[in-house]
Amino acid sequence: GNSVTQMEGPVTLSEEAFLTINCTYTATGYPSLFWYVQYPGEGLQLLLKATKADDKGSNKGFEATYRKETTSFHLEKGSVQVSDSAVYFCALSDQYSGAGSYQLTFGKGTKLSVIP
Amino acid sequence: DVKVTQSSRYLVKRTGEKVFLECVQDMDHENMFWYRQDPGLGLRLIYFSYDVKMKEKGDIPEGYSVSREKKERFSLILESASTNQTSMYLCASDRTQSVTEAFFGQGTRLTVV
Repeated sequence: GNSVTQMEGPVTLSEEAFLTINCTYTATGYPSLFWYVQYPGEGLQLLLKATKADDKGSNKGFEATYRKETTSFHLEKGSVQVSDSAVYFCALSDQYSGAGSYQLTFGKGTKLSVIP
Repeated sequence: DVKVTQSSRYLVKRTGEKVFLECVQDMDHENMFWYRQDPGLGLRLIYFSYDVKMKEKGDIPEGYSVSREKKERFSLILESASTNQTSMYLCASDRTQSVTEAFFGQGTRLTVV
């Protein structure tokens, strides 16, 4: 079946530090890959996505590249801000158990805290 | 903007009660999902639906059922609430059957006492 593994948190960084959150996946087909962000007290929001190998998704200074050879989709940002404090979820979309319909499979989430 | 609205932000129910969690989306999306979110476990799929009256079990369907009588509304039902169903419940919808950009509601924090 499909699965997503992302680095354990919590992660605490100083403002302007470099961020990497690792994400690897297992999928039976050719999944699309996503990063979602959840700010305190809110639902999840799509941060970025990539739909095929070597695609780079980017948004708000965050980037992630779809690496098929390493089955990875690591999230990076060059200079984090206090406002980036949130929980980040890596996810994939693929056919669910061969049923023909698709579903999102999530990692367990990584909590990021950025301190001034 | 796409809006996914969950009927309650917070609910407190008693053990054994039948509980309905409602979710409505306003963008004619095909796919709708119910997840529960628990600390250390991330999001786990309970049920999803790719069309009206269609439903498929996710990874943890036990103790739950769903209803999708209209395209815009997807209801999660706890037939007989138990304390281990205390959790955050998240509804999501997506435009197509092949998930391209799921939109989430604010979540319902359910406490079963």
